Amino acid sequence: QKEVEQDPGPLSVPEGAIVSLNCTYSNSAFQYFMWYRQYSRKGPELLMYTYSSGNKEDGRFTAQVDKSSKYISLFIRDSQPSDSATYLCAMSAGNQFYFGTGTSLTVIP
Amino acid sequence: NAGVMQNPRHLVRRRGQEARLRCSPMKGHSHVYWYRQLPEEGLKFMVYLQKENIIDESGMPKERFSAEFPKEGPSILRIQQVVRGDSAAYFCASSPYTGDGYTFGSGTRLTVV
Repeated sequence: QKEVEQDPGPLSVPEGAIVSLNCTYSNSAFQYFMWYRQYSRKGPELLMYTYSSGNKEDGRFTAQVDKSSKYISLFIRDSQPSDSATYLCAMSAGNQFYFGTGTSLTVIP
Repeated sequence: NAGVMQNPRHLVRRRGQEARLRCSPMKGHSHVYWYRQLPEEGLKFMVYLQKENIIDESGMPKERFSAEFPKEGPSILRIQQVVRGDSAAYFCASSPYTGDGYTFGSGTRLTVV
């Protein structure tokens, strides 16, 4: 079983839609949870970072962590074509981060 | 703030040659991490370094791969006697503290021919 599972998609939505991206994990020791956005041929860019269960909001982005279910989500409101990218979840219990394989998102104008 | 700088962006090596990948962390960041990304796979941890020290190399292949982060200069990931399976994107990240969110560089895309 992989440490982190993420549906690769691809996911295609119309502009303005609400997008929900999800990851599950198996290691209950994970304490830090992150979402990264990666454009083609670029390095991942940190979007959200949290270390507790609950919700964290930043503009159009909301990160949700449910440690009891070992489940994290990223919601994107009012999605824009510029949001088209691959979204990677990541989590950590210490030195190294464990990444999901990424979900490819396309927002259609 | 120049961010995490990696060079070269693209590197082509013949089988059996050596590849040297460089990473300069963000100013003020003393923690450096190397990850490898293969097509259809997520980022895989390779090694975590602080200045002059390897803290965790549990993700590094036991042979042909080495990493350093000297007191002066960039961190170097070195792959000796490259094989086709080493072809991948190699990303460096840095952070000011252990466990903090990383800042990634743009990566070095290694192609072994």
